[in-house]
Amino acid sequence: DQQVKQNSPSLSVQEGRISILNCDYTNSMFDYFLWYKKYPAEGPTFLISISSIKDKNEDGRFTVFLNKSAKHLSLHIVPSQPGDSAVYFCAASGDGGATNKLIFGTGTLLAVQP
Amino acid sequence: GAGVSQTPSNKVTEKGKYVELRCDPISGHTALYWYRQSLGQGPEFLIYFQGTGAADDSGLPNDRFFAVRPEGSVSTLKIQRTERGDSAVYLCASSPKVTGELFFGEGSRLTVL
Repeated sequence: DQQVKQNSPSLSVQEGRISILNCDYTNSMFDYFLWYKKYPAEGPTFLISISSIKDKNEDGRFTVFLNKSAKHLSLHIVPSQPGDSAVYFCAASGDGGATNKLIFGTGTLLAVQP
Repeated sequence: GAGVSQTPSNKVTEKGKYVELRCDPISGHTALYWYRQSLGQGPEFLIYFQGTGAADDSGLPNDRFFAVRPEGSVSTLKIQRTERGDSAVYLCASSPKVTGELFFGEGSRLTVL
């Protein structure tokens, strides 16, 4: 069973607008969440993370929101840029980030149209 | 560059053969992770090393899979009697310590015919 779910395989957004990528999880023991970005033929790169003790974390154009009661998190990118076009993976761990043993979602392909 | 290096980048083999995939982490990184990404899926944890020892190998799918890191730097993932279901991109990543930002290599694409 998929413990981390990204139900939207793809998303298309106009340059300058907001991109919202969603992620749901089923395991209430997860307490640390991350987003990774992946370009074709490259490995994933870390983008932003959030601990379960917070409900929001912001880094420049990227903000992650966590709703623990709904077991849902989202990544907001504002404003979106063509260089943001990539696959975005949501990931979770149950050890508070003590290790990088992560459970990944299936990814969402973001296309930012110029 | 000084990133995580994985070789080979592509490997095509026949069912039943033995393969080795190599990972050269970023210098000084003590933690090394192996993940596997099958088509249409996210990366799946296999094993991680802290130094020379395997700290957690709970993600290895069966005893055909084995990984070593004898000197605490380069790691080799070994797959015996390969099966078509082993076809995937095998990703290696390292971090300065067990926690903290994970740096991935470009992966080794394994195709088992």
